[in-house]
Amino acid sequence: SAVISQKPSRDICQRGTSLTIQCQVDSQVTMMFWYRQQPGQSLTLIATANQGSEATYESGFVIDKFPISRPNLTFSTLTVSNMSPEDSSIYLCSVAGLAGGSYEQYFGPGTRLTVT
Amino acid sequence: GQQLNQSPQSMFIQEGEDVSMNCTSSSIFNTWLWYKQDPGEGPVLLIALYKAGELTSNGRLTAQFGITRKDSFLNISASIPSDVGIYFCAGHRKTSYDKVIFGPGTSLSVIP
Repeated sequence: SAVISQKPSRDICQRGTSLTIQCQVDSQVTMMFWYRQQPGQSLTLIATANQGSEATYESGFVIDKFPISRPNLTFSTLTVSNMSPEDSSIYLCSVAGLAGGSYEQYFGPGTRLTVT
Repeated sequence: GQQLNQSPQSMFIQEGEDVSMNCTSSSIFNTWLWYKQDPGEGPVLLIALYKAGELTSNGRLTAQFGITRKDSFLNISASIPSDVGIYFCAGHRKTSYDKVIFGPGTSLSVIP
């Protein structure tokens, strides 16, 4: 399994500002993802963070709103831009891989964002 | 798109009771993953299943990969207060390019 850390763990931000969330993994991983979890809901995939190239966004999510960087195989950032109260959610970094052909996926502790 | 259904949506049980929950899909999956999420935390992987009919245990937890490959079950025996949380199932198809699909979750409350 991979150990994933996220910073910050929580933040309260004002409308119109931006927040960058960092994700650090203790080992090199091929697949890295960013999820959003709105209160009382399941996990929604925002994008796949690709090392050395632009992230692949899911329907309903765009790069201007959620720019992602992945400079290497152990680190990624997600920025939530021009925030509004609707962006209040938990943002989760996740990594996955095929170990001996078996798929596994792990999550970081999450960043709890409140936008006022 | 693909969807997973989980039942029950929520459950309240007495400490010491056994718990059963399931996850169903209209699509076939090659991998089933079960997660537990505590309040304010990220989901933690409990059990991974890779073969139809497979039965895998992790302490008091037992999960099964359904024969049809369209469902999976999670059982918790002799529940304790720390079992409280939300349990998510997730299905993965075949290739590394396929995205994991998550169920809506089952909320478990344990009454001491």
